[in-house]
Order: sequence, then C-alpha cells, then structure tokens
Amino acid sequence: SQTIHQWPATLVQPVGSPLSLECTVEGTSNPNLYWYRQAAGRGLQLLFYSVGIGQISSEVPQNLSASRPQDRQFILSSKKLLLSDSGFYLCAWSAGPYGYTFGSGTRLTVV
Amino acid sequence: DAKTTQPPSMDCAEGRAANLPCNHSTISGNEYVYWYRQIHSQGPQYIIHGLKNNETNEMASLIITEDRKSSTLILPHATLRDTAVYYCIVPTRGTSYGKLTFGQGTILTVHP
Repeated sequence: SQTIHQWPATLVQPVGSPLSLECTVEGTSNPNLYWYRQAAGRGLQLLFYSVGIGQISSEVPQNLSASRPQDRQFILSSKKLLLSDSGFYLCAWSAGPYGYTFGSGTRLTVV
Repeated sequence: DAKTTQPPSMDCAEGRAANLPCNHSTISGNEYVYWYRQIHSQGPQYIIHGLKNNETNEMASLIITEDRKSSTLILPHATLRDTAVYYCIVPTRGTSYGKLTFGQGTILTVHP
C-alpha cells in the first residue's frame, strides 16, 4: 500500500536560520507531489507542486524553495527563515489527477 | 477550480446524521466534486468524490443534485471524532497536475 512520510513533526527555528523539510512516498511510482502551508487560523495554501524529478512549479512568490531529487522524495527549503514562515506544512501526493493523500504535517515555529 | 460555497459552521448531535451542503453552480459537465476533512492538527483526509450519481462508501454518502449545482455530504451516524473542517472542492480539469484549492470549509462540531 502507498504511504507518505513527513518529518520532523514539529520544529522551532530562529529567524534567519535555514530550513529543510523532507517528504517521501512509498508504494507508488511517478506521483504528483505537493507542498501546502496552513498559517494559524487560515486555510491551506498550495506552495509548490512537482510532476517529476527536477520539475518544480511555484504557486506563490515566497521565501521558500522546493526540490525533487528522486522520484518519491520532495524537499522544502529556505536559506533564511522569516517569522512569517511559521505554519503547518503538509506534503501530499497523488497518482491520478485529483485524489490526494496528505502526510501528517510539520508544525514550524520561527522565533 | 470552480468556486464552491459552504456554510462556515454546523452543529450535529452525536448519533444523528450530519448533512453538509455545498453549492458549486459554475461546475462544468466533466468536473468532479471532492470532499475532504481536516481534523485539528492533522493533514486533510479524503472522504468521497462523485460526478453525477450519488456515491456511498464506508465513511459517507454524497448526494449530487440533478443539475449538479449543489451537493450534500452525509455522515449517517456522526460521532465526536467526526468533528473537523469539511472541504468541498471542484478541481479544474484540463491540467495533469490536479491542484486542489481549499476554501474555508465548514467547521462541523459534533456534540454529545
């Protein structure tokens, strides 16, 4: 069966520090991969999506970047975190166009 | 994505049916209606989807009107664990990316 792993579950980072969040998928090939962010009390915002290795599309301009070095690995990064980067980060995958499976999320607090 | 409209919040008594409405009057003929829910501090969870016919699975039933301009998600016997934000989504077809756009959803509170 397909599973999605996302870590860490929680993270507290100082302003200006780098960030690396990793997401891996098992049990499927060539999935579409997505990074979402949910700020406190807000809805889910799509940040990045990828349809293949090395293919990244950004939905909103921001302080973050994404990479897909392997078929089932999706990484969210930042060189210097801002306070506004705090939020709940969710990775998701889909094998077809529209059915998503989400990871358990990373709660990031920038202090 | 086609615009959807949901009530911001609803209450339901435990053991009773929860009926969550969604309006999607601009839906196109080949666009599906998807429902997800998000329990506090967790990632969204897929519930059900449909095109024209009513659908049922182990979690819920989906009733889509004949003109497809609205739908209702039915949780037949709500439990306290069904308290969550429920999202009705109509993804835009025509791309292979299938990006889901989440609105504000309906906060369903199931009380004892």
